[in-house]
Amino acid sequence: KAGVTQTPRYLIKTRGQQVTLSCSPISGHRSVSWYQQTPGQGLQFLFEYFSETQRNKGNFPGRFSGRQFSNSRSEMNVSTLELGDSALYLCASFQGTHSYEQYFGPGTRLTVT
Amino acid sequence: DQQVKQNSPSLSVQEGRISILNCDYTNSMFDYFLWYKKYPAEGPTFLISISSIKDKNEDGRFTVFLNKSAKHLSLHIVPSQPGDSAVYFCAAIRGSTLGRLYFGRGTQLTVWP
Repeated sequence: KAGVTQTPRYLIKTRGQQVTLSCSPISGHRSVSWYQQTPGQGLQFLFEYFSETQRNKGNFPGRFSGRQFSNSRSEMNVSTLELGDSALYLCASFQGTHSYEQYFGPGTRLTVT
Repeated sequence: DQQVKQNSPSLSVQEGRISILNCDYTNSMFDYFLWYKKYPAEGPTFLISISSIKDKNEDGRFTVFLNKSAKHLSLHIVPSQPGDSAVYFCAAIRGSTLGRLYFGRGTQLTVWP
């Protein structure tokens, strides 16, 4: 089975711009979660999508949004980028209802200048 | 508020010896606990998990112990190998928010020959 894939792997953006990151889950997984990793805050939960609906949401501002498509692929969008948004963005997929283990993609390294 | 804590940022162990990584949590509503290993520039890799109704789970060289009364879990790696050198994250899940992992800050394990 192919693992979780994320595109792009690296991204450099300027303050004020917006960015869209993509995640393709493991086949058969219906849930996708997004996390932000920074040296100062560690791994922070952004949101989770299950069957195209946002099921859980972390404590991030509304500039961070996401969506999930019918094939379970997910995108997250960050608008009006700030320097503090520079981070590794990780997505994880899991079956969604009967198991707890989440499997992570390699991440997208976003640098905001 | 950090609900999952890993108080040792680093641990250094000789090859062949036991590595013990510790994790504490504050929320008694957690139902499931997981350990992940992370190399730089990669996503976390799932290692082993344990349900809150168990006190031990073993998988090869990895064993996780859970002490619910103390709200403490530990990961034992025996024997430790240089390839085990990585950052280890403890994570927890509440059954009511399946898609959300609560992470500790991680422990950098270094296994030296």
